[in-house]
Amino acid sequence: SQKIEQNSEALNIQEGKTATLTCNYTNYSPAYLQWYRQDPGRGPVFLLLIRENEKEKRKERLKVTFDTTLKQSLFHITASQPADSATYLCALVRNNQGGKLIFGQGTELSVKP
Amino acid sequence: EPEVTQTPSHQVTQMGQEVILRCVPISNHLYFYWYRQILGQKVEFLVSFYNNEISEKSEIFDDQFSVERPDGSNFTLKIRSTKLEDSAMYFCASSPDRSEAFFGQGTRLTVV
Repeated sequence: SQKIEQNSEALNIQEGKTATLTCNYTNYSPAYLQWYRQDPGRGPVFLLLIRENEKEKRKERLKVTFDTTLKQSLFHITASQPADSATYLCALVRNNQGGKLIFGQGTELSVKP
Repeated sequence: EPEVTQTPSHQVTQMGQEVILRCVPISNHLYFYWYRQILGQKVEFLVSFYNNEISEKSEIFDDQFSVERPDGSNFTLKIRSTKLEDSAMYFCASSPDRSEAFFGQGTRLTVV
C-alpha cells in the first residue's frame, strides 16, 4: 500500500541548532514534494516545493533535499528560533493528479530558548 | 497579501442537518480544493475543482458531499445529512497552477 511517513515523535531542539525532519514514502512516484507549516487550529502554510528532478532547494533558513532513489525528503531549519515551533507537514503531488496533495501525519517541532 | 477566506470559523450542527461551508479563494487562482482534518489526524484530500467541474474526489467524498462555485468568487462545500464522524476541520485551498496551495484558516465543524 502507499504510505507517507514522517518522524512520529515530536522533535525538541535548542534555539540556534539545526532541526532536521524526515519524510519517507513508499509506492509513489511523486512529481514533486512540498513542505508546509501548521500551527494549532490553523491551516497549513506553504514553505517549499521541490521537483523530482531537483536534489536540493533553499529559502532563507530552510533547506529541502529530495532523494527519489531512497524515496526520502529531508527538511532542515538552520539557526532555529522558538518562533519556528509548529507542526511541519510533508505532502506529495503525483503526476496528472491536478495538484491533489497527499499529506504525511506531520512532525511537531519545539524549539526551546 | 491575498488570502483564502473561509466562513464560518466554527459551525455546530445537529446530526442529520445540512451544512454549507463557504470559501473565497484567491481571485486569479484556477484550481480549488477541499481538505479535512479530524482532530489529531492527518490532513486528507476531499475534492479538487477546475474549470467549473470536479476533477478528482476521494473515497470520503460520497453522495452526501457536493461542491459549487456559484458566482465566480465563492466556492462552497455542502454536506447534505451530517454524521457524527463528519466532525473535523475543513480547509479550502486554491492554487494558480497546481503547485503550491494556499489554505484558508478552516471551518471547525462539530456535529452533535
